Amino acid sequence: DIQMTQSPSSLSASVGDRVTITCRASHPITRNLNWYQQKPGRAPKLLIYAASSLQSGVPSRFSGSGSGTDFTLTISSLQPEDFAIYYCQQNYNNPPTFGQGTKVEIK
Amino acid sequence: QLQLVQSGAEVRKPGASVRVSCKASGYTFTSYYMHWVRQVSGQGLEWMGIINPSAGSTSYAQKFQGRVTMTRDTSTSTVFLDLSSLRSEDTAVYYCARDSYSSEYTWDYWGQGTLVTVSS
Repeated sequence: DIQMTQSPSSLSASVGDRVTITCRASHPITRNLNWYQQKPGRAPKLLIYAASSLQSGVPSRFSGSGSGTDFTLTISSLQPEDFAIYYCQQNYNNPPTFGQGTKVEIK
Repeated sequence: QLQLVQSGAEVRKPGASVRVSCKASGYTFTSYYMHWVRQVSGQGLEWMGIINPSAGSTSYAQKFQGRVTMTRDTSTSTVFLDLSSLRSEDTAVYYCARDSYSSEYTWDYWGQGTLVTVSS
């Protein structure tokens, strides 16, 4: 199975900050990488697919980049509703696997 | 609007089985594959398998082979997850999730989750 490693595991930031989360795959996955946001007690929500494509309805302050083994999710200006856990997920091969998550907390 | 509505929380003893349902509405049920993903409390997400609602064909994660069965009822637009030989480590929230139109094994709509508790 492909292992996905996110960093950091958690971070503290203020409203308006630029936030970057990284995700590394144990094997190259071209651009087969998705990002999800999860809030407490809720199902994950798709933000970015195919490494950099913004899911319909997701604010443009979210962006993704990368290919091969290294990927990033960037929030250009953190908003109060963005405090959540973020997961990367590879859909390059079976089984699809997730990173362990990055918790974004209020500073 | 598009919805995936799951059945309610379940409590089972070790060794028992559980069935979780996921009723789809607001789109053509047979046109999108459905997946099951689980989340152990406070931990990460784990893919369990996929079902083609049109053909009924399935593919399961190796970890769950022999214990999991996914089925569907096209007359009610519902998919089912059956998990047997339950153990305490199966205590988790189970989600159904629809495959995206844009990308396979990418989930654009999720059910609300069903908590399954395995305890003696």
